[in-house]
Amino acid sequence: SQKIEQNSEALNIQEGKTATLTCNYTNYSPAYLQWYRQDPGRGPVFLLLIRENEKEKRKERLKVTFDTTLKQSLFHITASQPADSATYLCALASDPSGGSYIPTFGRGTSLIVHP
Amino acid sequence: NAGVMQNPRHLVRRRGQEARLRCSPMKGHSHVYWYRQLPEEGLKFMVYLQKENIIDESGMPKERFSAEFPKEGPSILRIQQVVRGDSAAYFCASSPPGLAGETQYFGPGTRLLVL
Repeated sequence: SQKIEQNSEALNIQEGKTATLTCNYTNYSPAYLQWYRQDPGRGPVFLLLIRENEKEKRKERLKVTFDTTLKQSLFHITASQPADSATYLCALASDPSGGSYIPTFGRGTSLIVHP
Repeated sequence: NAGVMQNPRHLVRRRGQEARLRCSPMKGHSHVYWYRQLPEEGLKFMVYLQKENIIDESGMPKERFSAEFPKEGPSILRIQQVVRGDSAAYFCASSPPGLAGETQYFGPGTRLLVL
């Protein structure tokens, strides 16, 4: 069966360091992969999308890699700040349905950045 | 441009009552998605709608749950005869035509508690 795995343990790092979060998947041929941020009591906020034919994408302090051979995406936040503390969700979408891709979400990994 | 709006933000119902959750997509967005999130679990897709049409309802329970997105007005997720297991956060997301599904904008969610 299709599965998306994100580390369930919280990632604790010191301010200024690079945070790296992992998303592994099985039995998927994703057209693209997305990363979202979710704060407690709020809806997810879209951060980055990377397509199957892309290896890496950057946006400000964020970097995403996508290895379809390893079936893995890495999400990096450089120069992390306490304000980056949140839960980060990985989502994959494959076959379109009625013209729209329906993403499947992982459970998310909590990031805690200590000052 | 106002974001996705959901109301109510919190809803308490007794077993057997009906719950109506409303979602107003972002201006210009014609695609609406509903998700359910249980504590410590990922977002689970329920239904995808376009104006006056249900495109994909593969994630929605066959009984007691229904959704609509009328020509005028918000999208409604309706849960009849609620049970305790329906307690969850329900998120609505919208996306613009042409980028259907790729970038979803989420609302703040409705937290349903069934007593």
